[in-house]
Amino acid sequence: NAGVMQNPRHLVRRRGQEARLRCSPMKGHSHVYWYRQLPEEGLKFMVYLQKENIIDESGMPKERFSAEFPKEGPSILRIQQVVRGDSAAYFCASSPRRDPYEQYFGPGTRLTVT
Amino acid sequence: GQQLNQSPQSMFIQEGEDVSMNCTSSSIFNTWLWYKQEPGEGPVLLIALYKAGELTSNGRLTAQFGITRKDSFLNISASIPSDVGIYFCAGLFNTNAGKSTFGDGTTLTVKP
Repeated sequence: NAGVMQNPRHLVRRRGQEARLRCSPMKGHSHVYWYRQLPEEGLKFMVYLQKENIIDESGMPKERFSAEFPKEGPSILRIQQVVRGDSAAYFCASSPRRDPYEQYFGPGTRLTVT
Repeated sequence: GQQLNQSPQSMFIQEGEDVSMNCTSSSIFNTWLWYKQEPGEGPVLLIALYKAGELTSNGRLTAQFGITRKDSFLNISASIPSDVGIYFCAGLFNTNAGKSTFGDGTTLTVKP
C-alpha cells in the first residue's frame, strides 16, 4: 500500500515566482491536510480539504496561498509571488475518516526561495 | 489559539536508558497523537490516544492521555541508537475538524 506521495521533494523558486506543491493521499483516504514546518519548529496547520471542498482554512495566510483537492488527481498547494519567508518544509497528511483523526504524513516538499 | 508546550526541548542519553517526554496544553484535547520525525522525512505516527487516562504501548514506547485531557506523556524504554529523531506530540479537538496542534518537538540523541 503506497503511502502519501508528495512532489517535488525539493523546489527552488526566485522571489515573485509561483510554487505548486502536489500531494497524493493514501489509497482510500479522502481527507487531506497541509502543514508548514519552519526549521527547528513543530508543524503548523494550514488547511484541511476533502474532495472538492475546503473544510478548514484557518491556518492559511489570507493572500498568495490557495489549496484545492479536485475530484480527480492530487491535492495542490499553490503559493503565488513567493517571498523569502515562504521558505519551509510543506507536509501533506491524509486520513481515511475524520474521527479518530489518524493522519499519515508524506515526506514533504522543501521550498527554498532565493 | 490552542498552545502545546513540549518538554524537554532536547535530550542526550546513553543507549539502554529510559526516556520520558511530555506535552501540556492550555486547553483540552479529545485526541493525542505522538509522532517521530527523522531528518528529511515526514512525521511517522507512533501512538494514538483517544480517551482520558488511556495508556497505550507500541513495543518499547508507552504513551498516556492525561486525566485532565490537557497533557500527555511518552516513554521510551531501553533506548537504542535508531530511536534518534525528533518526537512531536499533537492534540486534536473535535470541533477543529482534523486540525492538529503540534508541539515544537523533543530532539533525542542516543549515544552508543
